[in-house]
Amino acid sequence: AQKVTQAQTEISVVEKEDVTLDCVYETRDTTYYLFWYKQPPSGELVFLIRRNSFDEQNEISGRYSWNFQKSTSSFNFTITASQVVDSAVYFCALSGVISNFGNEKLTFGTGTRLTIIP
Amino acid sequence: DSGVTQTPKHLITATGQRVTLRCSPRSGDLSVYWYQQSLDQGLQFLIQYYNGEERAKGNILERFSAQQFPDLHSELNLSSLELGDSALYFCASSVGSGGDETQYFGPGTRLLVL
Repeated sequence: AQKVTQAQTEISVVEKEDVTLDCVYETRDTTYYLFWYKQPPSGELVFLIRRNSFDEQNEISGRYSWNFQKSTSSFNFTITASQVVDSAVYFCALSGVISNFGNEKLTFGTGTRLTIIP
Repeated sequence: DSGVTQTPKHLITATGQRVTLRCSPRSGDLSVYWYQQSLDQGLQFLIQYYNGEERAKGNILERFSAQQFPDLHSELNLSSLELGDSALYFCASSVGSGGDETQYFGPGTRLLVL
């Protein structure tokens, strides 16, 4: 079974600080996919990034960066110079390969509520 | 805007009733997924359809059923509603059916059972 753990339930930081959201996963698939989604107060789920298990290259997109480490089964998300608009619940998710029926679904972590204090 | 639409946005009903939630996927997407988000269970996968056929099933109750129509829109039917069914129900869509697909989520339907 797949599992995603987001140990940080809530984080509060002052605006312009950097913040890292942790994500640890478990899977028996050798090929898998990791995702981050953002859920702002309005409630919708917004896709942020997808990572393939065979590509451990870190990624940066503006103020966002992601650190994928297969050795520690982690896929952490860092926001640099945080802004009030970053306040949201962030979910890490995992999916498997098509050969394992049912693993194509997204298994979500419990989310981290991030509050940016102005 | 993800391109996935869901109606209605809000639904208030009573225990024992039946409701239907509707989802239209992004143009070109063949897969539709349904998820339930509740305070105690978090985000849980319910069911997936691909091009009209059921593809995978999660922790979906027997009181719940879904289908995907020829025009690819999907409906989630919830019957004999209980207080515990109150939740935010999301629909997501993707081009294909594999785990490598990015799922794009609709705005959700917030269901309140009184």
